[in-house]
Amino acid sequence: EVQLVESGGGLVQPGGSLRLSCAASGFTFSSYWMSWVRQVPGKGLEWVANIKEDGSEIYYVDSVKGRFTISRDNAKNALYLQMNSLRADDTAVYYCARSFDYSSISHWGQGILVTVSS
Amino acid sequence: QSVLTQPPSASGTPGQRVTISCSGSSSNIGSNYVYWYQQLPGTAPKLLIYRNNQRPSGVPDRFSGSKSGTSASLAISGLRSEDEADYYCAAWDDRLRGVVFGGGTKLTVL
Repeated sequence: EVQLVESGGGLVQPGGSLRLSCAASGFTFSSYWMSWVRQVPGKGLEWVANIKEDGSEIYYVDSVKGRFTISRDNAKNALYLQMNSLRADDTAVYYCARSFDYSSISHWGQGILVTVSS
Repeated sequence: QSVLTQPPSASGTPGQRVTISCSGSSSNIGSNYVYWYQQLPGTAPKLLIYRNNQRPSGVPDRFSGSKSGTSASLAISGLRSEDEADYYCAAWDDRLRGVVFGGGTKLTVL
């Protein structure tokens, strides 16, 4: 069974940094594209970034380019999202997700809340 | 404003058939697969339909997807109370180089 467990969320001040982690199990992590998707509470879904199996291709939504960095450690079955220069509008539940390929999402973690506020 | 356009709400009575539309453009739905997700209240989204019309194992055949040109639809037949949820469509966008979602449709079972 595919399991994705996020950690590292919490309250951070505007301009601050936070690193999200996702522990993956139940599948061969190194064989799949992985993604981060976020959702402002009560609002819709927004794709944030994805990364190829070997990390050689990465895509970001325009609103986080230059501030967020997605990475992975296939030896540890872990996905990361380094978030810098955080803004109030980054406040959301962040989901770790496994993809079929670069263009899709098949499985979701339970999500973790990031709150950017002073 | 979402790149893919969905109606904000839909409703039906138990046993009815309802459809939810998703409208896009040539750079997303027109040239890539469409995916549908169901999000029950307070839970993470779940894949409902992949590659336009394929159902993952465990998804009832009451759920079906279709695509034509730059639009797609999710149909739910034999509506049940447990189908009350938010539904999202998604596709890759070749111009934006990213996954784009619809704004979501809240389905109410009357």
